[in-house]
Order: sequence, then structure tokens, then C-alpha cells
Amino acid sequence: RKEVEQDPGPFNVPEGATVAFNCTYSNSASQSFFWYRQDCRKEPKLLMSVYSSGNEDGRFTAQLNRASQYISLLIRDSKLSDSATYLCAGIGDYGQNFVFGPGTRLSVLP
Amino acid sequence: DAGVTQSPTHLIKTRGQQVTLRCSPKSGHDTVSWYQQALGQGPQFIFQYYEEEERQRGNFPDRFSGHQFPNYSSELNVNALLLGDSALYLCASSAGQINQPQHFGDGTRLSIL
Repeated sequence: RKEVEQDPGPFNVPEGATVAFNCTYSNSASQSFFWYRQDCRKEPKLLMSVYSSGNEDGRFTAQLNRASQYISLLIRDSKLSDSATYLCAGIGDYGQNFVFGPGTRLSVLP
Repeated sequence: DAGVTQSPTHLIKTRGQQVTLRCSPKSGHDTVSWYQQALGQGPQFIFQYYEEEERQRGNFPDRFSGHQFPNYSSELNVNALLLGDSALYLCASSAGQINQPQHFGDGTRLSIL
């Protein structure tokens, strides 16, 4: 099993829609998770850190389910500018480095 | 407040050559991690440097080596380049502890011909 897995998508949604991505992880001891946004041919940019049960920042909500070992990212009222690849990251099985999922591609359509 | 800076932006090399990529961390950060990102994939961890030592290494061959300097800047060296080394190389910095978020530079796009 890969350390961090994501649904690769793509997710094609209309403007204004609510969309949710899931990310599963294998390291049950991991305490920290992160969502990054990556635009085409650009570097990943930190969107949100998740240290406890969840985090909310405007239209973005991240939730952590430790029992099932997944974190989710919910985007409400999608904007065209939300179109990007969303990367989930957690601490690897050996507890020393970040492990990224393959990313979920989102396209918000007019 | 400068963020993470990487150089060069783009690089073209041929098989068998050697390359050195450079990274300056964000102000206040002392830990530097390097990643390789192939098209359509997530970043793959190469190694991490802290206090001028390699703290953790991913599943990359010894052709990949690095260094961290006293000012926390870092270099990634790749020897005997292969076609498969073509990728975006990302440097990320963070403040010490492993659970801190990492901040990425713009990356170096390496093409091997």
C-alpha cells in the first residue's frame, strides 16, 4: 500500500459547486497533514495544515478522520481560479519526511 | 521577506553529465528538503538536510547527493545523468521540526537529451 493515496480525478465541476477530495494515509502515527495547491508547471503552494480534527479557511475545509486514516478537503462555492491540482501530504512511515500523494486535478468550468 | 529561491530555473543536459542545483531557504528556516516531480505525479522525496547533515533519504540512488552550508542553503548534485532524471526538482524549506509545513521554491526544470 502506498503511504499516501489520492483519487487522481480529474474532477470537472461547474462554478459554484461544492467538491470534496479524499486522501488516505498508511502511517497511523502521523500527526500532521497538509494540503497543497499546484498550478500547471508551478511549485506547490501550501493551502492548509491539519494537525487535529480539522481546519477551516474561508471556502476551504479540511477534516481528519484518524479511525479511517483519511483526510478530506472540501471546497465550497468553487471559483474558476480554484482549477489546479491538489496535493495531500503526510509524514512518511518512518516518521522523518513528507510523503505526497499523486494529486487530484480539479477543473472548475464556467 | 524572501521566500525559497532556486537556481537555475531551467537546465538542459545530456546523458552522462553532472548537474548541480541550488536552493536558498526561506528566512528563518533551517531545514531543506529536495523533491523530484515527474509530469503528472506528486513530488517524490529525495533527501532532507538539517544542521548540515543528511537527516533522511528517500529511495534514490547514490548518484543523487547533496550538501547544506552553514547559512542553511543547499545544493543537489546528480551524477551520470539518465534520460529518466528529466523532471522538475523542487526545494522546500521548513523550520526544524518534522511537523512544520514546508514551503517550496519555484523549482528547476531539468531536461536530459
